[in-house]
Amino acid sequence: DTGVSQDPRHKITKRGQNVTFRCDPISEHNRLYWYRQTLGQGPEFLTYFQNEAQLEKSRLLSDRFSAERPKGSFSTLEIQRTEQGDSAMYLCASSSGLDTQYFGPGTRLTVL
Amino acid sequence: KQEVTQIPAALSVPEGENLVLNCSFTDSAIYNLQWFRQDPGKGLTSLLLIQSSQREQTSGRLNASLDKSSGRSTLYIAASQPGDSATYLCAVIKPISNYQLIWGAGTKLIIKP
Repeated sequence: DTGVSQDPRHKITKRGQNVTFRCDPISEHNRLYWYRQTLGQGPEFLTYFQNEAQLEKSRLLSDRFSAERPKGSFSTLEIQRTEQGDSAMYLCASSSGLDTQYFGPGTRLTVL
Repeated sequence: KQEVTQIPAALSVPEGENLVLNCSFTDSAIYNLQWFRQDPGKGLTSLLLIQSSQREQTSGRLNASLDKSSGRSTLYIAASQPGDSATYLCAVIKPISNYQLIWGAGTKLIIKP
């Protein structure tokens, strides 16, 4: 296993368009987290899954955001009607229980 | 509400020096504390994890300490090298939560050759 992967690595889109990101966690990890990071700041929690169940969503996650983990493996994060304020690095992490969270390389989103 | 602060925001030192990065948190009720490294435009690499019952962890030239009572952690880097240049972030996990990480903003470290 090569670790957590994310696709795409970069996404440039126009305001109002929808975008979808994918995260493939380490295969035996049951927990999957999404974070958002803007320049010069630490990451902010968005949501997390235990297996296929989405157990918590941050208040940062507006109605335009939706995340799924249909089979308890990969996860997708969709942003509808993107806004310039959505521009950020979107990070995915996975863990086995309460052990160390392992991060993917992130998807950098630029909304024009 | 748990808040995590890292001071200084940036640090530049000559190669070979030993240095200390600081992390403070407002609520001493934590499950564990982790130090991460982030290279420009890239994801995060876990360096050290300290459980709440531990006082320190070591890995190679890195040593992290934890003092829950004062709400502080330090990351000590010995004999710094240019390859250590990166942003270092600390994060804590609260025990009563979804075990999300709560992050500091990081210290940007530059090691001058």
